Amino acid sequence: DQQVKQNSPSLSVQEGRISILNCDYTNSMFDYFLWYKKYPAEGPTFLISISSIKDKNEDGRFTVFLNKSAKHLSLHIVPSQPGDSAVYFCAARRKPYNQGGKLIFGQGTELSVKP
Amino acid sequence: KAGVTQTPRYLIKTRGQQVTLSCSPISGHRSVSWYQQTPGQGLQFLFEYFSETQRNKGNFPGRFSGRQFSNSRSEMNVSTLELGDSALYLCASSLEQDRPSYEQYFGPGTRLTVT
Repeated sequence: DQQVKQNSPSLSVQEGRISILNCDYTNSMFDYFLWYKKYPAEGPTFLISISSIKDKNEDGRFTVFLNKSAKHLSLHIVPSQPGDSAVYFCAARRKPYNQGGKLIFGQGTELSVKP
Repeated sequence: KAGVTQTPRYLIKTRGQQVTLSCSPISGHRSVSWYQQTPGQGLQFLFEYFSETQRNKGNFPGRFSGRQFSNSRSEMNVSTLELGDSALYLCASSLEQDRPSYEQYFGPGTRLTVT
C-alpha cells in the first residue's frame, strides 16, 4: 500500500533548464509534505516543505506546488545545475506530529542534470 | 554540532544470521527513527523511539526489533536474515516538536548485504 508515489524513477534534464519532479499521495489525512535530496553514500537531507493550507512554497531555485484536490505535488528546480543531480524523495506527514519519525516516503526520482 | 552517526557503514552477512546496527543521534535529540531503503520501494519506516520507548512501528515482521538507551543512542536488530533484507538502513533523529515543520536529520546509513 504505497500511500506516496513517485512514478518516475529517473529524470534527465539539461543544465539551465527546469526540472519538474512529481509526487502523488492517496491519504487525505496528510497535511504536511516535504522533499528530501539524497546523494550516494549520504543520508537524505531536507530540501523544502509545504503545508496543506498553502499551494506554493518557494526557496531560491526550488519551488514546491501542492494541488490538494488532485492529491499531487511537484518540485520545480529552476535553473537546474549539475550539482542538483541526486535522488529526490517526496514525503508526507500527518497528525500527531510529535510522534517523531513516521514520515511516509515515495520511491524516489533520480535526477540527472547534464552540463 | 556532530551529525547523526551510524555504525558500521557496510556489513555483509549470510542468510540465517542476525545483525545489530547502531545509531548515535545529534546531541539533544531524543527521537530516533529507523528506515529501510531498497530500490523501487523508497524509504520505509521501521520504528521510532523516544525516551527509550518504542512509540511508532511500521509494517515489518517481528524479526526487526530495536531499542534505545538512556543516552538516546539506538540499535536495531534483525534476526534470521533473509536475502530480501539487503538494503540501506537509515537512522534519523529529531527534537521533540508538536508541529509539522520539524526536521529530521538522517545519518549516512548502514549498507547491509545478505548473501
